[in-house]
Parts: sequence; C-alpha cells; structure tokens
Amino acid sequence: KAGVTQTPRYLIKTRGQQVTLSCSPISGHRSVSWYQQTPGQGLQFLFEYFSETQRNKGNFPGRFSGRQFSNSRSEMNVSTLELGDSALYLCASSFGETGGYTFGSGTRLTVV
Amino acid sequence: DAKTTQPTSMDCAEGRAANLPCNHSTISGNEYVYWYRQIHSQGPQYIIHGLKNNETNEMASLIITEDRKSSTLILPHATLRDTAVYYCIVRVATGAGGTSYGKLTFGQGTILTVHP
Repeated sequence: KAGVTQTPRYLIKTRGQQVTLSCSPISGHRSVSWYQQTPGQGLQFLFEYFSETQRNKGNFPGRFSGRQFSNSRSEMNVSTLELGDSALYLCASSFGETGGYTFGSGTRLTVV
Repeated sequence: DAKTTQPTSMDCAEGRAANLPCNHSTISGNEYVYWYRQIHSQGPQYIIHGLKNNETNEMASLIITEDRKSSTLILPHATLRDTAVYYCIVRVATGAGGTSYGKLTFGQGTILTVHP
C-alpha cells in the first residue's frame, strides 16, 4: 500500500511569492492534516480536513490556507512568503476511528 | 488535550529494552495516549496507542498505569535504528466512518540514543 505522498520534496522560493504544496493520503484515508516543523518551534499543527471540510485550524496567520478534494487529496497554500516560513511541511492522513496518523516525508520549503 | 511531560533525553545499549516514560497527570477519561517517533529529517512515525489497557504490537509495548496518569513505551530489543525523538501525545480520538480526526499536539519529546 502506497504511503502518504507529498510533492514537491524540496522547494526554494523568494520572499513575497506564494507556494502550493500537495499531499496524497493513503487510499481510503479521509482525514488529512498539515504540520509545520521548524527548529525553533518544533512540530505545529496547521489545519485538518475531513470530507473536504476544514475541521480544525491551528494558530497560523491567514496567509496559510488549504483545501481538500473529493478524492481526499489535499493542498496547502502559503501566500506572501516570509523568511520565517522556511520549514519542513508535513502532511498526515489518519486511519481508524481512534487510530493514529501516517505522515509523509514532507516538503522542505526554503524562503530566500 | 492534556499536556504530557517527557525526559529530554535517554540512552540505551543496543539489544537492551528501552523504557520511555511519559507523564500525563491531567488526562481525561476519553483521551488516548499515542506514541510517535521521528528519525532525523523524516516525518513522524506512528508507533502505538492505547486508552487504558496495555497494548503491544510488532514495534513496541505500551504500559498505561491504572490511574492513567502516566505511561511507558517499551522497545524490547533496541537497535541503532531506534535512535530518534520519541513523542508522547494525549488526545481525544474523534472518529466517524472509519476515520479519526483531531490535531496532534507535539511537545519536545525524548531524544533516545541507542549505543552499540
């Protein structure tokens, strides 16, 4: 069974630009979450989608947004990039009604 | 979600059992205990979870105290590849239609170093 697939793996953008990251969950997983990981703040929850609806949202500015499609694939978008947005962005999909999450390998975003 | 407290770092000899403690003294009755680990530059890996009974799978065992205020993750025969940051997370598991949802709140975790 294929795992959680995130594309691209690496990305370099310039301040002020916008970026879109993609996540394909494991087949049959309907919940997709996004996390940001930085050395200073650790792993922080961005948002979660379930059945195309945003169910939870972390404490991030409105520049961070996401969506989920009918096939459960998800995208997150960051507009007006700042240097501090440089991070590893991780996507996870959940299994079972009390189950855990399977994480992808992440997208490493560098803002210059 | 209840907060958790873990030691910052631990060492273990290869082949020995690694016992990683976690304190969650404010846990609620409907909150599960989850363990994840993260090997450098990879996404976190799910290990095990439980509500109140001890759990075992191919990777580890989870021992939850009777009052549920603390738990221990046991890696029975640690290898060098088990060197990672281990996170203990407590959360309410909300589910529907075969899927759960609800954020994971990661703390700083325990850096486990397995020595030859």
